[in-house]
Amino acid sequence: QQQVKQSPQSLIVQKGGISIINCAYENTAFDYFPWYQQFPGKGPALLIAIRPDVSEKKEGRFTISFNKSAKQFSLHIMDSQPGDSATYFCAASIRGGATNKLIFGTGTLLAVQP
Amino acid sequence: EAGVAQSPRYKIIEKRQSVAFWCNPISGHATLYWYQQILGQGPKLLIQFQNNGVVDDSQLPKDRFSAERLKGVDSTLKIQPAKLEDSAVYLCASSPKAGTSGYNEQFFGPGTRLTVL
Repeated sequence: QQQVKQSPQSLIVQKGGISIINCAYENTAFDYFPWYQQFPGKGPALLIAIRPDVSEKKEGRFTISFNKSAKQFSLHIMDSQPGDSATYFCAASIRGGATNKLIFGTGTLLAVQP
Repeated sequence: EAGVAQSPRYKIIEKRQSVAFWCNPISGHATLYWYQQILGQGPKLLIQFQNNGVVDDSQLPKDRFSAERLKGVDSTLKIQPAKLEDSAVYLCASSPKAGTSGYNEQFFGPGTRLTVL
């Protein structure tokens, strides 16, 4: 119940296309859903995050869509660029409380072809 | 603002040897995390400190892994003795004390890539 399932494992998109990565969770206590971007040799960096009281959040070319009833959320990268090529991780946590532990998905390796 | 610092960046050891990793969090960050990231997987929390106290070490293999955070700042993670399956990237992250929103933005260091032969 603590898992976050992520798909696809890898994704190839043409420059200018839309990249879509999906995640699903079981624990309804999760109330914070961040996406992290990780370049080779670097640690993950927070990209965008959403709370379950909104269905969508947009920051520049990055949008999170959230479906509370289906317990699913997704990352959309519009106008994908070669510089977006990286591994993307969804995560979930329970804000507040003692631990605020992040549960990460397994990651999606995105390659944007020029 | 300086980020989370980790050293060494790479380490190669033989199985049954010992190894230690060091982390210096962002100044003023109360919470420090150690994650293990196995190739092709997401980071998995090993241990979480709040100042110098352990908040969560439920997934730390305590028979071989240990961690400390002296004076609530720097932290070290030790593996003794190492096994082949410990080959992974060890990430350190820190976060400030959560504000009223309770959100937990974690800032990650570059990691230490450990290879156990």
